[in-house]
Amino acid sequence: EAAVTQSPRSKVAVTGGKVTLSCHQTNNHDYMYWYRQDTGHGLRLIHYSYVADSTEKGDIPDGYKASRPSQENFSLILELASLSQTAVYFCASSDRYEQYFGPGTRLTVL
Amino acid sequence: GDSVTQTEGLVTLTKGLPVMLNCTYQTTYSPFLFWYVQHLNEAPKLLLKSSTDNKRTEHQGFYATLHKSSSSFHLQKSSVQLSDSALYFCALIVMSNYNVLYFGSGTKLTVEP
Repeated sequence: EAAVTQSPRSKVAVTGGKVTLSCHQTNNHDYMYWYRQDTGHGLRLIHYSYVADSTEKGDIPDGYKASRPSQENFSLILELASLSQTAVYFCASSDRYEQYFGPGTRLTVL
Repeated sequence: GDSVTQTEGLVTLTKGLPVMLNCTYQTTYSPFLFWYVQHLNEAPKLLLKSSTDNKRTEHQGFYATLHKSSSSFHLQKSSVQLSDSALYFCALIVMSNYNVLYFGSGTKLTVEP
């Protein structure tokens, strides 16, 4: 079965601090994605990547950077965390048709 | 542009009743539609998918039919259970754009005893 893991599973960060969320997939998928979900709401695309060493902006990229050093790994970086970035972050990998989601990281910025 | 619309934000039903969650989409490309289900504090999981016009697809008691003529992919179940309480997302994939999924805003289904 497809496997996408995320670390950490939860994190408390201070405003203005740097936060790195990591995602690892063992699916051998080319496509990877980072989404943000606010409580009770839908998923919004932050960044995505279709090949190592390349990333693309999604719908809400402001305040976020992404890094894809290898096919298996995709990181989301908040250089200066803000209160408004408190949310659950999901990573996903994709074959041609279906996206497989990781368990999510709950980020709280204080 | 490409988009998905879910009109019901919140649906509350009594166990055993039927349910239909609405999903319409807009795209200039050949549509490939999905329904994802997300239980509380879990990741979204694929429930159904289809790219075939007028063919019913089923899984775990849920079913949906892609109708290209009306740009719809409504999710149905004949008898909801307590365990069906969850967030349901309709999504459209645009394979010409790096397989990006366009999600609807989601429908929260609550099933009461």
